[in-house]
Amino acid sequence: AQSVTQLGSHVSVSEGALVLLRCNYSSSVPPYLFWYVQYPNQGLQLLLKYTSAATLVKGINGFEAEFKKSETSFHLTKPSAHMSDAAEYFCAVSHPSTSGTYKYIFGTGTRLKVLA
Amino acid sequence: EPEVTQTPSHQVTQMGQEVILRCVPISNHLYFYWYRQILGQKVEFLVSFYNNEISEKSEIFDDQFSVERPDGSNFTLKIRSTKLEDSAMYFCASSQFQQGADGYTFGSGTRLTVV
Repeated sequence: AQSVTQLGSHVSVSEGALVLLRCNYSSSVPPYLFWYVQYPNQGLQLLLKYTSAATLVKGINGFEAEFKKSETSFHLTKPSAHMSDAAEYFCAVSHPSTSGTYKYIFGTGTRLKVLA
Repeated sequence: EPEVTQTPSHQVTQMGQEVILRCVPISNHLYFYWYRQILGQKVEFLVSFYNNEISEKSEIFDDQFSVERPDGSNFTLKIRSTKLEDSAMYFCASSQFQQGADGYTFGSGTRLTVV
């Protein structure tokens, strides 16, 4: 069964430092993978997606993620953190069901704190 | 940029009451979803909907829940008799493609508080 594991429920970085948020997945089929960001009291905004094209995916706000099949990972990075990056980040995998439809399975989320 | 619109943004209801959460998906999207997020927990799948019928539903989506697309634009989630444990943020989402490879577009959510 598909699942997503996000290591670290809370991550703190200094402003200007590298951001690394970890996501590992398990999937019986080639996965579609996504990162979403949730700012306080807001909905989920798509940051980037992997859909079996380039393994290094660039998203909005300077974020990128690399799909590594051998490590079953899809870690999110940003070279230099900004105060406005403080939010909760969710990794998700698109999961096919027996009915042929798909749904997203989300990780438990990582809350990113950026220190001045 | 097209948006998924959810109303109301906040709803407080008494236990046992019926609530209807409303969503207007993106107009050319064909697949619709409801998810929920209990405070401090992960986002959980409730139900997917396509071609005017439920495609899949989770264990959470019991007989107290129903979905409807009454007029070709709105997509509603009804909870017939709310329980305290139904308190959560409910997100509607839509996608153009079945696999969601385009990435779901989520609404900003309805925060439901059952008292």
